[in-house]
Amino acid sequence: AQSVTQLDSQVPVFEEAPVELRCNYSSSVSVYLFWYVQYPNQGLQLLLKYLSGSTLVKGINGFEAEFNKSQTSFHLRKPSVHISDTAEYFCAVRVSGNEKLTFGTGTRLTIIP
Amino acid sequence: DTAVSQTPKYLVTQMGNDKSIKCEQNLGHDTMYWYKQDSKKFLKIMFSYNNKELIINETVPNRFSPKSPDKAHLNLHINSLELGDSAVYFCASSPGGTSAINEQFFGPGTRLTVL
Repeated sequence: AQSVTQLDSQVPVFEEAPVELRCNYSSSVSVYLFWYVQYPNQGLQLLLKYLSGSTLVKGINGFEAEFNKSQTSFHLRKPSVHISDTAEYFCAVRVSGNEKLTFGTGTRLTIIP
Repeated sequence: DTAVSQTPKYLVTQMGNDKSIKCEQNLGHDTMYWYKQDSKKFLKIMFSYNNKELIINETVPNRFSPKSPDKAHLNLHINSLELGDSAVYFCASSPGGTSAINEQFFGPGTRLTVL
């Protein structure tokens, strides 16, 4: 069965500083990887996804993530964060041929003015 | 023009009551899901329906019963509510199909509080 680990439960970052949110997955078969964002009191919104092809994936709001198969990672990055990026970020994995989406425990990104 | 909508947004009820949460999607998707997000923000799938047929049924107490009257609706009925049922419940939908790579679209959530 697949699993997702987000080691950092909270990440405080100064405004305009870069940020990296870590995500590692475990699966014995091909995977598809996703990052979702949840703003306070809202539902989840897709930031970006890796299906195949280029390992560097660009998403909305200036975020990008890099798929690293050898390290089984899919870390999310942004070169310069804004106050509006304050939210909970979830990494998720889906195994090829399976409908089920497995989420990590989330990372709370707090932007410090 | 909401894609995935849930009602109610907030639900406060007493232990032992029976309640329902409704979900509707206007995206023409074939597959719908229910997720539970606990107080620590952990998000776990509960059920999934594809064209009104149950395809995912995780380990969930049988007090929880999903009902899909048509492929645009997936309701969640909960009997004999317990304190531990307090959580935010999210509905989601996707075009569906295990071989298709599909994004799941989430509703705004229903915050259930059991007193």
